[in-house]
Amino acid sequence: DAGVIQSPRHEVTEMGQEVTLRCKPISGHNSLFWYRQTMMRGLELLIYFNNNVPIDDSGMPEDRFSAKMPNASFSTLKIQPSEPRDSAVYFCASSSGGVETQYFGPGTRLLVL
Amino acid sequence: DAKTTQPNSMESNEEEPVHLPCNHSTISGTDYIHWYRQLPSQGPEYVIHGLTSNVNNRMASLAIAEDRKSSTLILHRATLRDAAVYYCILRDGGYNNNDMRFGAGTRLTVKP
Repeated sequence: DAGVIQSPRHEVTEMGQEVTLRCKPISGHNSLFWYRQTMMRGLELLIYFNNNVPIDDSGMPEDRFSAKMPNASFSTLKIQPSEPRDSAVYFCASSSGGVETQYFGPGTRLLVL
Repeated sequence: DAKTTQPNSMESNEEEPVHLPCNHSTISGTDYIHWYRQLPSQGPEYVIHGLTSNVNNRMASLAIAEDRKSSTLILHRATLRDAAVYYCILRDGGYNNNDMRFGAGTRLTVKP
């Protein structure tokens, strides 16, 4: 298996633009997680899905952030409009549920100018 | 959520054993102790986990105190590739509770 796939790997955009991050989980996994990592705040859980349904989005910073999982093999995290403080590395992870191991993707490094 | 406490940083010499401590005094009976690590410029990766008994795998060993209020991740022979941030995380084994919250972790430096 190719592991968790994220795209793009790097994104540079200007403040106010829409940003869409993409994630393909490991086949057969039914849980998907979005994390954000910054120097100041470390690794934060933003939202997670079980069987394509959002379970906990309490970590989503504000209404500018939205996440969808239209099917078991694809998820998006959208920021609209983006702001410089959104600059971070965004990780997607998947697991087979419960306390099973989470497998992380390589991350998307986002820079908002 | 039960919280963990780890030293901010530790140093080790290459090919020597490393003991990374974690305190979790408020651990509940259903909490599993998980360890992940994050190598530079990569996503976190699973290392090991346990509930009550000590555990061994090809990467490391996990020693859990009898009262479960602390645990130690043991790398038997540190290599330069083991330089990473190590996270100790408690995960509730209860139904429908599969999120994972990271703390600051311990940054391990391995000296040649």
